[in-house]
Amino acid sequence: NAGVTQTPKFRILKIGQSMTLQCTQDMNHNYMYWYRQDPGMGLKLIYYSVGAGITDKGEVPNGYNVSRSTTEDFPLRLELAAPSQTSVYFCASRQVENTEAFFGQGTRLTVV
Amino acid sequence: KNQVEQSPQSLIILEGKNCTLQCNYTVSPFSNLRWYKQDTGRGPVSLTIMTFSENTKSNGRYTATLDADTKQSSLHITASQLSDSASYICVVSEAGTALIFGKGTTLSVSS
Repeated sequence: NAGVTQTPKFRILKIGQSMTLQCTQDMNHNYMYWYRQDPGMGLKLIYYSVGAGITDKGEVPNGYNVSRSTTEDFPLRLELAAPSQTSVYFCASRQVENTEAFFGQGTRLTVV
Repeated sequence: KNQVEQSPQSLIILEGKNCTLQCNYTVSPFSNLRWYKQDTGRGPVSLTIMTFSENTKSNGRYTATLDADTKQSSLHITASQLSDSASYICVVSEAGTALIFGKGTTLSVSS
């Protein structure tokens, strides 16, 4: 049971480039989330999904896009990378409301 | 605005000592409160989950309390070990979907 898997673990982008952060979970969880964690700050919600085909914006969605074509996958897309998007990105999933949320190991992204 | 505030921001204790971390929240509607441990460079790992009706929940040397009336929670660590050095994050679930994170308390356990 792999849990929540994120790829890549590290990435350096140039300003204006695009990339997709991958997130896959094998627990058949309905809810999936993308967070970013800046130094000394709490995790902030970027986007979330309550099931395949359904996505919604979180607290800091600008500059990002997501899709949820399957239950397992929840990729995060950066179209025009900016230095302000330098952060550590975490994907998480949980089954329903009062259940444990599982986190991936994170993707450390640097935009230069 | 829904917020989760944690104190202290950082804490240094000697190995074997106990400590208590605090969490105050204003999240509404409230669904549940979680404590996570995050080691440096790793994703958060769940320690406890408490719903509105639960006052106390333990996980080994970790004991969390919840007062839903005053919107306060605490995490007590007993007989600390060097491996307890990490960031401890209070997370409140807003009924519906969102998990709202505190900034965390950084705990350093020294020998």
